[in-house]
Amino acid sequence: KNEVEQSPQNLTAQEGEFITINCSYSVGISALHWLQQHPGGGIVSLFMLSSGKKKHGRLIATINIQEKHSSLHITASHPRDSAVYICAVRSATGNQFYFGTGTSLTVIP
Amino acid sequence: DGGITQSPKYLFRKEGQNVTLSCEQNLNHDAMYWYRQDPGQGLRLIYYSQIVNDFQKGDIAEGYSVSREKKESFPLTVTSAQKNPTAFYLCASSWDMRLPQHFGDGTRLSIL
Repeated sequence: KNEVEQSPQNLTAQEGEFITINCSYSVGISALHWLQQHPGGGIVSLFMLSSGKKKHGRLIATINIQEKHSSLHITASHPRDSAVYICAVRSATGNQFYFGTGTSLTVIP
Repeated sequence: DGGITQSPKYLFRKEGQNVTLSCEQNLNHDAMYWYRQDPGQGLRLIYYSQIVNDFQKGDIAEGYSVSREKKESFPLTVTSAQKNPTAFYLCASSWDMRLPQHFGDGTRLSIL
């Protein structure tokens, strides 16, 4: 079993739709990261969370430490949001990172 | 512009051959990392380095080697001992192990 599970694996949305990607983890963490990987392969860090909620433009990330769950929301989705979104956690005990397998998002015009 | 440069973007290896993947950063970051990405799997840590002349094995270090002679450079050698080297390799860096990592654009390695 993976330490980090994401759902859904694949997601197709119409432009303008509200999108939610979920991440559950099974280890104690010091921080959770949301990453965006574009078709070319490069990865960009979107958020780092240890509690609560963060917002950047149309992206919102939340985390519930008790539930060991995080969500990434995209409001008013756009075709340029099409990418793979990866959830990653840093363990509370040391220098260990665990990565989810990613959610592949396609936004259709 | 500050960032991480990986080269080459695509690399082909013959059976039994060692190849070296380049990773250079001009962000003045102390920590650097190498990850492997396979279809349907999350990123897996190969090696990481928190400081010059020091590096640690990650989860899948067998068949790989690294060096960290300069702060800005962290090359990865895929040796002939790595029996399944075909994958996408990502280099990353950060100020320290706690902070978000900056990633390069990756190198895709294939076996001829």
